[in-house]
Amino acid sequence: AQSVTQPDIHITVSEGASLELRCNYSYGATPYLFWYVQSPGQGLQLLLKYFSGDTLVQGIKGFEAEFKRSQSSFNLRKPSVHWSDAAEYFCAVGATNAGKSTFGDGTTLTVKP
Amino acid sequence: DAGVTQSPTHLIKTRGQQVTLRCSPKSGHDTVSWYQQALGQGPQFIFQYYEEEERQRGNFPDRFSGHQFPNYSSELNVNALLLGDSALYLCASSLGQWKYEQYFGPGTRLTVT
Repeated sequence: AQSVTQPDIHITVSEGASLELRCNYSYGATPYLFWYVQSPGQGLQLLLKYFSGDTLVQGIKGFEAEFKRSQSSFNLRKPSVHWSDAAEYFCAVGATNAGKSTFGDGTTLTVKP
Repeated sequence: DAGVTQSPTHLIKTRGQQVTLRCSPKSGHDTVSWYQQALGQGPQFIFQYYEEEERQRGNFPDRFSGHQFPNYSSELNVNALLLGDSALYLCASSLGQWKYEQYFGPGTRLTVT
């Protein structure tokens, strides 16, 4: 069965500082991997996705993520955080034989001025 | 171009009652998935509808049922509500059953008292 672990429940960074959110997955084959962002009272917005090919994936809002098969990780990064990035971030994995995604429990990002 | 819409926004029900939530997919999308997001957790897959049939189902009891209409809109029905059914219910749409680029609606907040 596929699963996703986001080890950090809550992260606080200063505005302008760099950010890395961790994601580890468990899946037997090559996974489809996603990062979503959820602002309070809103649905999920897709930041980026990895299906195959280049292991460094660029997304919207200046985010990027790197797929590391050897570490079963798909960490999200941003070089300089803006106050508007404060939100809940979810990593998800999709199986190649099913049209559904399994989500981690999320990481809450707080941005200090 | 309208995105995914859900109604109602909020709902309060009593234990034992039944509830129906509605979802209209993004224009051009034909597949609808439903997720339950409990407080402090990531979304959990309930089921997916494609061509008016349930195609995939997560680990949810039969109290959870759904329907998809010819215009691709969908309903989620929950019978015999329990306190534990209180959650944010998210609808996601995609083009095609096996497509992982899902677009999420803002969700319906269900409170069971």
